[in-house]
Amino acid sequence: QSALTQPASVSGSPGQSITISCTGTSSDIGHFNYVSWYQQHPGKAPELIIYEVSNRPSGISNRFSGSKSDNTASLTISGLRAEDEADYYCSSYTYTATLFGGGTKLTVL
Amino acid sequence: EVQLVESGGGLFQPGGSLRLSCAASGFSISNYWMHWVRQGPGKGLEWVSFSQSDGNSANHADSVKGRLTISRDNAKNTLYLQVDSLSPEDTAVYYCARGYRGMRAFDVWGQGTKVTVSS
Repeated sequence: QSALTQPASVSGSPGQSITISCTGTSSDIGHFNYVSWYQQHPGKAPELIIYEVSNRPSGISNRFSGSKSDNTASLTISGLRAEDEADYYCSSYTYTATLFGGGTKLTVL
Repeated sequence: EVQLVESGGGLFQPGGSLRLSCAASGFSISNYWMHWVRQGPGKGLEWVSFSQSDGNSANHADSVKGRLTISRDNAKNTLYLQVDSLSPEDTAVYYCARGYRGMRAFDVWGQGTKVTVSS
């Protein structure tokens, strides 16, 4: 199975909103509502920030939101802050494996 | 506090084997699917293996199938990963992660253990 497709990088200024896309196929993102997103700061472990397309774990800011349309999922970060600068990964459930996207580096200008 | 702590990483010879451990605390792994995810240097995340909660079923990514064995000791609350026939492409940080409702997401991660395969 191929990895999911994410843009390599996105950027935004403090206070702005950005959206990161994650494109899969009708066999993964398009078939299941089990898309999750992870934030990873340099040298740190990933942290779950969105699960089941649009749910936030306890303690995750409501500035993070997720959505899905057909085979593409999206992560939106509103009110950008300097601490949001990190790598972001999407993932999707399939029956026998989990697929990850290649990751998107978010730069806060 | 819910925590996962990996160990067993280091420098390994090509063709050799390794065994990683992941000790859980603050919850019982017997109630969860557990996973290994790896990240090569400067690369993205790659899911490699899962073990169902009772340990009776597992699966591995196609890229590593045949060389990995995932196991668990629920009494010790510990997950393991054995990798055989090591190649430089196995060089990565290996994370263990707790599965949310099986494989729908990974809600708890360890800090990772670094594996380098080089002669």
